[in-house]
Amino acid sequence: DAGVTQSPTHLIKTRGQQVTLRCSPKSGHDTVSWYQQALGQGPQFIFQYYEEEERQRGNFPDRFSGHQFPNYSSELNVNALLLGDSALYLCASSRAGYNQPQHFGDGTRLSIL
Amino acid sequence: DQQVKQNSPSLSVQEGRISILNCDYTNSMFDYFLWYKKYPAEGPTFLISISSIKDKNEDGRFTVFLNKSAKHLSLHIVPSQPGDSAVYFCAASALVGSEKLVFGKGTKLTVNP
Repeated sequence: DAGVTQSPTHLIKTRGQQVTLRCSPKSGHDTVSWYQQALGQGPQFIFQYYEEEERQRGNFPDRFSGHQFPNYSSELNVNALLLGDSALYLCASSRAGYNQPQHFGDGTRLSIL
Repeated sequence: DQQVKQNSPSLSVQEGRISILNCDYTNSMFDYFLWYKKYPAEGPTFLISISSIKDKNEDGRFTVFLNKSAKHLSLHIVPSQPGDSAVYFCAASALVGSEKLVFGKGTKLTVNP
């Protein structure tokens, strides 16, 4: 039973560029959340997708956008990259419903030069 | 404003002894709490959770205690094993606000043989 898978594992971009990160949820999960983890910090919630709609959003600018596909997989897009966007980006999936634990992928390490 | 706090950045314990990791929260709307373990270069792994209607939940060597009046929870690992050495994150969510997880900064546990 495959868990949450993310691609790519690592990515290097320069300021001003755009990036797309991808996530496939765990089998049986229909809800996908994205988090940003800076060094030495806990993950910070970016947004959550359910039924192909953004259901909830954290305190991130509009440069961060996403999408969920009919097969529940998801993409995170970041435009006009800044140095401060360098971080580990984590995708988590869960079943819809109350008190369902989120399961995380291994993340994409994004470095901005 | 950090709503979930893990005040101990690190903890060192002897193999076979008990490890106690602590977490405090400020938002009284939080009603679901989770612990995750993270190894380097991997995503957080779900360990155990507790709903606010309970004060204790146990799963094998892991027990989580919740003290709602003190807005405090703790994770007990008994007995501790060297493979438990990792960074442990406490996370919380509120029914109002859906499944958005708010994380602490983590505690690095080292279990010495």
